[in-house]
Amino acid sequence: EAQVTQNPRYLITVTGKKLTVTCSQNMNHEYMSWYRQDPGLGLRQIYYSMNVEVTDKGDVPEGYKVSRKEKRNFPLILESPSPNQTSLYFCASRRVGGTYEQYFGPGTRLTVT
Amino acid sequence: ELKVEQNPLFLSMQEGKNYTIYCNYSTTSDRLYWYRQDPGKSLESLFVLLSNGAVKQEGRLMASLDTKARLSTLHITAAVHDLSATYFCAVDTVGILTFGTGTRLQVTL
Repeated sequence: EAQVTQNPRYLITVTGKKLTVTCSQNMNHEYMSWYRQDPGLGLRQIYYSMNVEVTDKGDVPEGYKVSRKEKRNFPLILESPSPNQTSLYFCASRRVGGTYEQYFGPGTRLTVT
Repeated sequence: ELKVEQNPLFLSMQEGKNYTIYCNYSTTSDRLYWYRQDPGKSLESLFVLLSNGAVKQEGRLMASLDTKARLSTLHITAAVHDLSATYFCAVDTVGILTFGTGTRLQVTL
């Protein structure tokens, strides 16, 4: 089944404790991206990657890191999480070209206390 | 800075009637997406509009794109309760995706 998976789905952590949210897709998509969704602020893009070893900032990259060492994986790293990073995070992927249809993962709800 | 505006923000629809959601954006873009999100769920892709004049239809939903006016519409025909959800448009410019504020649709009998 074609899908984007994220882990963990729920995470409660404390300020300053490094964490990684994993994202994996099995569709051989070149493009992958991370978003956060907050009440009143909507959905905002954090980082995206057009292919392996190519990453770029979205609208709200501060406080986040990403890497793209393999085509299927695009982890989101919070080196020193803060309470303002409490949010619902989505990973997504699509082909570069073709229909451009973008598939979203199930989401990761992160709480930083 | 690209701005994407959706209206209305909230739409209470009567079953069987027709409605339209509007999505305006401020600069040229590569493509426009429409998504549906149910409460507590992820985003489901509805349409990808790639060029001026593009029109796509799926069931009771039809989306169109006018790149000259920088406007996309999502038209709902004969609303049914199953369509209750939040709908987002999103504009893609060189890989950067900017979302509209979302329109919460509620269909009542």
